[in-house]
Amino acid sequence: QKEVEQNSGPLSVPEGAIASLNCTYSDRGSQSFFWYRQYSGKSPELIMSIYSNGDKEDGRFTAQLNKASQYVSLLIRDSQPSDSATYLCAVIQLTGGGNKLTFGTGTQLKVEL
Amino acid sequence: DTGVSQDPRHKITKRGQNVTFRCDPISEHNRLYWYRQTLGQGPEFLTYFQNEAQLEKSRLLSDRFSAERPKGSFSTLEIQRTEQGDSAMYLCASSLFDENQPQHFGDGTRLSIL
Repeated sequence: QKEVEQNSGPLSVPEGAIASLNCTYSDRGSQSFFWYRQYSGKSPELIMSIYSNGDKEDGRFTAQLNKASQYVSLLIRDSQPSDSATYLCAVIQLTGGGNKLTFGTGTQLKVEL
Repeated sequence: DTGVSQDPRHKITKRGQNVTFRCDPISEHNRLYWYRQTLGQGPEFLTYFQNEAQLEKSRLLSDRFSAERPKGSFSTLEIQRTEQGDSAMYLCASSLFDENQPQHFGDGTRLSIL
């Protein structure tokens, strides 16, 4: 079992729709969760962090965390073509040290006109 | 706002050569991380520093890899006797010293081994 799992996609949504990206993790003691956006050939860019169960909203983005189910999701409302990118889920695991991030392989999102 | 800076952006070298990359973190960040990313994968942790101390190294970091952060500011990552499998994007990130502080990445150095 991978430590952080994401569906690689591509996930295609029409412009203006809600894109839903999902991530599961294996370390039950994980405390910190992040979503990064990565455009092709570029480096990861932090878009959301979440630390406690529930929802956290920032503009068009909502992160959802369910520690009991070991599940993190990212919702993008009113999707735009500029949102087309790979979205990386990252976790700081309790068993690790020093805040190192463990990443999933990323979900490719395509927002179609 | 000065972010994480990495140099060079691209490096092409022949197999067997040594290469060195540099990372300048965000100035007030005392934690600095190196990751490696290959096509279709998420970044993988290599090593991290807290100030000048290297506190953890991944099993991915073979003996050919060495990293330093001599004065707790910039860091260098050296790869000796490069191999084809070293071709990847090398990413540097920095953060404040706090369990929940997010990491901010530089633009990366793309290494291609001929």
